[in-house]
Amino acid sequence: SQTIHQWPATLVQPVGSPLSLECTVEGTSNPNLYWYRQAAGRGLQLLFYSVGIGQISSEVPQNLSASRPQDRQFILSSKKLLLSDSGFYLCAWSQGFSGGELFFGEGSRLTVL
Amino acid sequence: AQTVTQSQPEMSVQEAETVTLSCTYDTSESDYYLFWYKQPPSRQMILVIRQEAYKQQNATENRFSVNFQKAAKSFSLKISDSQLGDAAMYFCAYRSATNDMRFGAGTRLTVKP
Repeated sequence: SQTIHQWPATLVQPVGSPLSLECTVEGTSNPNLYWYRQAAGRGLQLLFYSVGIGQISSEVPQNLSASRPQDRQFILSSKKLLLSDSGFYLCAWSQGFSGGELFFGEGSRLTVL
Repeated sequence: AQTVTQSQPEMSVQEAETVTLSCTYDTSESDYYLFWYKQPPSRQMILVIRQEAYKQQNATENRFSVNFQKAAKSFSLKISDSQLGDAAMYFCAYRSATNDMRFGAGTRLTVKP
């Protein structure tokens, strides 16, 4: 069966520090991968999605970036965090764009101080 | 661009009673999919129910059912025999056959014992 894991679960970082959140999927190949951000009490905002290795589409211009070095690995990064980067980050995967559901990881809570 | 609107930020229901959560969406496409996700306090998103737009029959999953009105672009979720474990944030989501998933702002459901 397919599983998705993301880490770390909780992160507290000072303003200006770098960020790396990692997500891996097991039990499937060539998945579509997504990074969403959820601000407190808000809905989910799509940040990045990827349909293959090295292929990244950005939805929102900001100081975050994403990379997909391997088929089932998706990384969210920042060189210098801002206070506004605080939030709950969710990684998800789906099998193509066939209209199927997204399967979500456990989430990573980032607090920037 | 497709948008998803959930007009009820908060709802409450008495245990064992029925509650309906509202969702409307805006799209010009004819082929798409609609979803309801549940986000309990653990924060991991869980798929509740899914509806294909080409199907006229409303989807049901045990105590969960939808009222899909394609012409009105409405997709409400009905929870029957509400249980304490149903308390969570509920997100309505839209996905076209060729694109990523868009979420509403969510409805926080409280279940009173």
